[in-house]
Amino acid sequence: SQTIHQWPATLVQPVGSPLSLECTVEGTSNPNLYWYRQAAGRGLQLLFYSVGIGQISSEVPQNLSASRPQDRQFILSSKKLLLSDSGFYLCAWRGTGTRTHGYTFGSGTRLTVV
Amino acid sequence: AQSVTQLDSQVPVFEEAPVELRCNYSSSVSVYLFWYVQYPNQGLQLLLKYLSGSTLVESINGFEAEFNKSQTSFHLRKPSVHISDTAEYFCAVTLTGGFKTIFGAGTRLFVKA
Repeated sequence: SQTIHQWPATLVQPVGSPLSLECTVEGTSNPNLYWYRQAAGRGLQLLFYSVGIGQISSEVPQNLSASRPQDRQFILSSKKLLLSDSGFYLCAWRGTGTRTHGYTFGSGTRLTVV
Repeated sequence: AQSVTQLDSQVPVFEEAPVELRCNYSSSVSVYLFWYVQYPNQGLQLLLKYLSGSTLVESINGFEAEFNKSQTSFHLRKPSVHISDTAEYFCAVTLTGGFKTIFGAGTRLFVKA
């Protein structure tokens, strides 16, 4: 069966520090991968998505970047965090050609920038 | 461009009462429609979906949603809620030919004893 792992679960980082959040998927190959951010009362904002290794599409210009070094690994990074980067970050995957299946989400990372 | 509007940010309801969470969408092309549920400090879980065919779809835990094309709505209903249904509910649309899913802002359902 397919599973998605996201870590860490919580993170408190000072302003100006770097960030690396990791997401891995097991039990499938060539998934479509997504990073969303959830701010309080504002729903989910799509940040990045990837349809294959090294292929990253950015939805919102900002302080963050994403990489996909392996088929089932998706990393969200920042060189210097801002206070506005605080939020709940969710990784999700969907099988290639399975738009009808909906997403499977990870358990999320709550990032607090202080 | 596609958009999803959830008309209520919070819905308080007493246990065993019926509830309706409203969702309207805007799209010039065909879409798939989804409802997700999020319990505190967890990721989202797929609750139910509409792809085609019968406009009424059901989940395993008693929720149902009805697709209304003329009103571009996909409201979520449950005839009798439980305390355990307290969560945030998100309506979402995916273009039938696209990679992305657009989410509504969410509705927080609070079930009171």
